Amino acid sequence: DGGITQSPKYLFRKEGQNVTLSCEQNLNHDAMYWYRQDPGQGLRLIYYSQIVNDFQKGDIAEGYSVSREKKESFPLTVTSAQKNPTAFYLCASSLGIAKNIQYFGAGTRLSVL
Amino acid sequence: SQQGEEDPQALSIQEGENATMNCSYKTSINNLQWYRQNSGRGLVHLILIRSNEREKHSGRLRVTLDTSKKSSSLLITASRAADTASYFCATDTGANSKLTFGKGITLSVRP
Repeated sequence: DGGITQSPKYLFRKEGQNVTLSCEQNLNHDAMYWYRQDPGQGLRLIYYSQIVNDFQKGDIAEGYSVSREKKESFPLTVTSAQKNPTAFYLCASSLGIAKNIQYFGAGTRLSVL
Repeated sequence: SQQGEEDPQALSIQEGENATMNCSYKTSINNLQWYRQNSGRGLVHLILIRSNEREKHSGRLRVTLDTSKKSSSLLITASRAADTASYFCATDTGANSKLTFGKGITLSVRP
């Protein structure tokens, strides 16, 4: 899916557990994004990063955390504070916020055990 | 906060027919994009139209933009079973603004 790799494809979380979703891109893009997709809800922005060591909250950041220590990597942690984590999570990247054709990974489907 | 709203929510057509999908938005935009999502996969960018453009073509795709009506349409001509997917419009309002996606249209093309 266009140079963006998400892993794992499927993930299961136990109650009270934090889990981390991986997103790596080799497109040399500055900006990266995390979206959550629920049936009938479209895409909702969780966090985004315009540059290394900087990130901003999106519309539904509560219960999630991110880091951007390398340009290529933007991992998302779903914390135990997120009470309804079951969803399809999509990572995307773009050259920059202003140059914003986004390239998406194949997604991670997270379920609660 | 969803800016774009697609219409209809679901569309079922016969292979070979044309498919028209609409997107309306609320505030002035800089660009409007259309994306496709196959079931269980990531989104793929199809086409971008700028606010000063009225029509763009890409292969079997034709996109129009009417900024006075705050609406866009995506036309897929001579549809194929492989066009079966969800289609999303996404808008941005200017430099350094994020994309806002609609809820999507589910297109089914019957062989």
